[in-house]
Amino acid sequence: AQTVTQSQPEMSVQEAETVTLSCTYDTSESDYYLFWYKQPPSRQMILVIRQEAYKQQNATENRFSVNFQKAAKSFSLKISDSQLGDAAMYFCASTYNQGGKLIFGQGTELSVKP
Amino acid sequence: DAGVTQSPTHLIKTRGQQVTLRCSPKSGHDTVSWYQQALGQGPQFIFQYYEEEERQRGNFPDRFSGHQFPNYSSELNVNALLLGDSALYLCASSLGRGLGDTQYFGPGTRLTVL
Repeated sequence: AQTVTQSQPEMSVQEAETVTLSCTYDTSESDYYLFWYKQPPSRQMILVIRQEAYKQQNATENRFSVNFQKAAKSFSLKISDSQLGDAAMYFCASTYNQGGKLIFGQGTELSVKP
Repeated sequence: DAGVTQSPTHLIKTRGQQVTLRCSPKSGHDTVSWYQQALGQGPQFIFQYYEEEERQRGNFPDRFSGHQFPNYSSELNVNALLLGDSALYLCASSLGRGLGDTQYFGPGTRLTVL
């Protein structure tokens, strides 16, 4: 079975500092996508960043970037210059088949201290 | 451009009752997926609809059923409600069912079963 694991239930960062959230996954598929979603208290899941397994280059979106280590099956999210609005639950997710069924990790709750 | 909308926002039911949740996809999207998110957990895939047919299904009993209409909107029905069905139900839409097609989420419906 395909799995996604987030081993950090909670993380905390000082405003303007950098934080890294960890994610590991397990699959035997050769083609897949990995995602980070943000879920603020408003509950709406928002896509932060996505990475295709075939692409060597790590994806970046403004202050958000990933460290994709395919051999280690690791997909961490780095948030630079953290802002108060970054406080939320962050979910790592993956898709392995046509149809795009998302498999989510357990989430990491990020708090940002002013 | 309207995003994914869901109704109702909150719902309270008693055990044994039936419930219907509704979802309107993002404009132009033809695929709708439903997820159940228990408190403190990551979302779990229930099923996906495309061209008015169920295309994929997660590990959920037959009490969970759905429908997709010609305008791509969708309903999730749950019969014989159990206390364990209390959760946030998320709808996500995408254009197509490709491996990497991004899913956009609605704000969810919070279902409480007493």
